Amino acid sequence: AQRVTQPEKLLSVFKGAPVELKCNYSYSGSPELFWYVQYSRQRLQLLLRHISRESIKGFTADLNKGETSFHLKKPFAQEEDSAMYYCALVDGGYNKLIFGAGTRLAVHP
Amino acid sequence: DVKVTQSSRYLVKRTGEKVFLECVQDMDHENMFWYRQDPGLGLRLIYFSYDVKMKEKGDIPEGYSVSREKKERFSLILESASTNQTSMYLCASSFLGPGEGSNIQYFGAGTRLSVL
Repeated sequence: AQRVTQPEKLLSVFKGAPVELKCNYSYSGSPELFWYVQYSRQRLQLLLRHISRESIKGFTADLNKGETSFHLKKPFAQEEDSAMYYCALVDGGYNKLIFGAGTRLAVHP
Repeated sequence: DVKVTQSSRYLVKRTGEKVFLECVQDMDHENMFWYRQDPGLGLRLIYFSYDVKMKEKGDIPEGYSVSREKKERFSLILESASTNQTSMYLCASSFLGPGEGSNIQYFGAGTRLSVL
């Protein structure tokens, strides 16, 4: 069955430290993956998608089909990165998304 | 900018009440979705719709129904609210595609429903 796993509920780092939010997926086919972010009191919004291969707000994510992973990375965390991060996988037709349970990133000064 | 508007930010209802959550999008998107968001569980799909009057069950449809009479509006209905339906409800929309951006979902601000 299609599934997205985010093993960490909370990731707590200090400002300037590297960040890696883990995402593993299970999908029988060619996956399309996203990272969504929800800042405090704001709506859920797209951060990046793997097919774009772009860096947004200093974050990057590489699809590793061998390890079935799509980890989100940033070399130097900022306090404004504190938010809830969700990894999501496109599931078949109608562009449905399967979301992971989410990881809360807390960046301390 | 895409705008997805949910009619209420907060709702408090009593057990057994019929509850309507409304969602409107202004981008002429074909697809609309209802999720519930719970800590530790992420977002779970309740229902979605890919066209007017069309609906499909998601992963947790029990206790819910939906209505899509117009393309821009997608309503979630709790026929008889129960305490275990206390949650944050998110509406989203996307265009059906194919094409660039077809899988990107745009979300509303959410409705926090408390059932007492």
